[in-house]
Amino acid sequence: EAGVAQSPRYKIIEKRQSVAFWCNPISGHATLYWYQQILGQGPKLLIQFQNNGVVDDSQLPKDRFSAERLKGVDSTLKIQPAKLEDSAVYLCASSSGQMDTQYFGPGTRLTVL
Amino acid sequence: AQSVSQHNHHVILSEAASLELGCNYSYGGTVNLFWYVQYPGQHLQLLLKYFSGDPLVKGIKGFEAEFIKSKFSFNLRKPSVQWSDTAEYFCASRDTGGFKTIFGAGTRLFVKA
Repeated sequence: EAGVAQSPRYKIIEKRQSVAFWCNPISGHATLYWYQQILGQGPKLLIQFQNNGVVDDSQLPKDRFSAERLKGVDSTLKIQPAKLEDSAVYLCASSSGQMDTQYFGPGTRLTVL
Repeated sequence: AQSVSQHNHHVILSEAASLELGCNYSYGGTVNLFWYVQYPGQHLQLLLKYFSGDPLVKGIKGFEAEFIKSKFSFNLRKPSVQWSDTAEYFCASRDTGGFKTIFGAGTRLFVKA
């Protein structure tokens, strides 16, 4: 069974630029999560989708971050414009349902200069 | 607000030593509890989980954790560590009503051969 795929694996941008990350969950998984993991901290949930609907986006900085899962399968997370403090690993995870085990992708390491 | 605290940020042990990593959560309602592990260069993966029932939970690779409700704790244990247990360990909680998973800051374990 293929795991959660993410791209790119690494991204370096300058502040005020925009960036987008892509995630393809495990086939058939209805729930998709985006987490931000800053160095030295645990993952922090940014947004959670159930199919193509948003379950929780309370910690998503909506003035600069956006995410979509239009067809209920893959998802993109965008930052526009980026700030220095956005430097982090962005993790995507998926699960069969909201109460099921989450499977994580390899993450995208973002460096904002 | 829900939170998870892990007592140690870094732990160094020799092979065959016993391991106990502390985790406390703050949430008065019903929670699901998890330990995740991230081996060097690998994805975050589930080590074990507690939903209900027997408070002593056994996971993969000889790990176990005990849920003590009165202490809001879910400590991870292993009687004899191996060099291959070198990894970062994250405790997490999920409230059964809102489905949001909260992670602790993580504990980096280094096992000396």
